[in-house]
Amino acid sequence: KAGVTQTPRYLIKTRGQQVTLSCSPISGHRSVSWYQQTPGQGLQFLFEYFSETQRNKGNFPGRFSGRQFSNSRSEMNVSTLELGDSALYLCASSLDDSPIYEQYFGPGTRLTVT
Amino acid sequence: AQTVTQSQPEMSVQEAETVTLSCTYDTSESDYYLFWYKQPPSRQMILVIRQEAYKQQNATENRFSVNFQKAAKSFSLKISDSQLGDAAMYFCAYRSAVNRDDKIIFGKGTRLHILP
Repeated sequence: KAGVTQTPRYLIKTRGQQVTLSCSPISGHRSVSWYQQTPGQGLQFLFEYFSETQRNKGNFPGRFSGRQFSNSRSEMNVSTLELGDSALYLCASSLDDSPIYEQYFGPGTRLTVT
Repeated sequence: AQTVTQSQPEMSVQEAETVTLSCTYDTSESDYYLFWYKQPPSRQMILVIRQEAYKQQNATENRFSVNFQKAAKSFSLKISDSQLGDAAMYFCAYRSAVNRDDKIIFGKGTRLHILP
């Protein structure tokens, strides 16, 4: 079974631009979560989607948004990029949104904002 | 609000030795899950071990075991017979079992070096 895939793996953008990151969960998984990882702040939760509905959202500004499609694939969008948005963005999928199910992480998208 | 604290930013251990990574957490909930995740350099994060708060018995996965002290809100990870492949960033994490909508909370991580 294929693992969680994220595209693109690396991205360089300029301040003020917007970016869309994609995550394909493991087949059969219906829950997708997004995290931002930086050296200073560590891993911070962005949002979680289950069956196309946002179940939870972390403490990030409205510039960060996401969605989930009927095939469980998910995208996250960051508008008006700032230098501080440079980070590794991780996606994780699980069978559903219950904590009893293990989260499987993707390799991440490394975003650099210049 | 729940918090997770890993007080050791970096640790080193000699190959084949045993090392313990510390984690403390704060919560007012009685039912929750605790996790240790491993993130090797430039590789995907994987779940190492999971503990359910209502279970008294400490979880074990091969060379990895935890010391779960619920009253002290402590959840340390012991790695026995350390191997070079254990070198990674280790994250302790908490998730509520009461409120399904609660997000998973990670500690800042401990970078583990294995000395040959």
